[in-house]
Amino acid sequence: SQQGEEDPQALSIQEGENATMNCSYKTSINNLQWYRQNSGRGLVHLILIRSNEREKHSGRLRVTLDTSKKSSSLLITASRAADTASYFCAVGSRGAQKLVFGQGTRLTINP
Amino acid sequence: NAGVTQTPKFQVLKTGQSMTLQCAQDMNHNSMYWYRQDPGMGLRLIYYSASEGTTDKGEVPNGYNVSRLNKREFSLRLESAAPSQTSVYFCASSALLAGGWDTQYFGPGTRLTVL
Repeated sequence: SQQGEEDPQALSIQEGENATMNCSYKTSINNLQWYRQNSGRGLVHLILIRSNEREKHSGRLRVTLDTSKKSSSLLITASRAADTASYFCAVGSRGAQKLVFGQGTRLTINP
Repeated sequence: NAGVTQTPKFQVLKTGQSMTLQCAQDMNHNSMYWYRQDPGMGLRLIYYSASEGTTDKGEVPNGYNVSRLNKREFSLRLESAAPSQTSVYFCASSALLAGGWDTQYFGPGTRLTVL
């Protein structure tokens, strides 16, 4: 399967700490995307990183991509209670017309 | 600009009943998708439509049919509902730019329970 596999499945940290979650995949990609899902809601896009990019930033979010290791990481700095959510990576493979989502990392930020 | 809308928000069916989930987007996107999400799981693609007039199976198409009614609307039909189809269903749309992928925009979901 070309599905992204995420690690860890669950992460609990204190407010203000940094949170890192990882995604591994198996095939050549066109891009990799990260999404957030608050409980009971639809997914919201966070960042898209293309296969020829190594790092991308958006506010407190930093995404890295290592195509040689077929892996990506999402770093959330200075976490806030509002960051509590599930985070999913989604792989856009070359030649495919769809994304394949991982099972997600459930992040809990404790006040 | 409502983005992606889905109806209904909640639905309870008995085994064997049929229903259609509706999805519409107002972003002029070419591609639309139907996913299901089971508790504690990621999204699994049921069907997608890369462009108006085309539909293709995803990872879990059995028991479902779709119709791309026009560029805005993409419906998902359960002909004979089964308890295994109890799930949250999400519709999404994407611009699908040439040479690469654009982001997907999601609707709020439909919570379906089949008794």
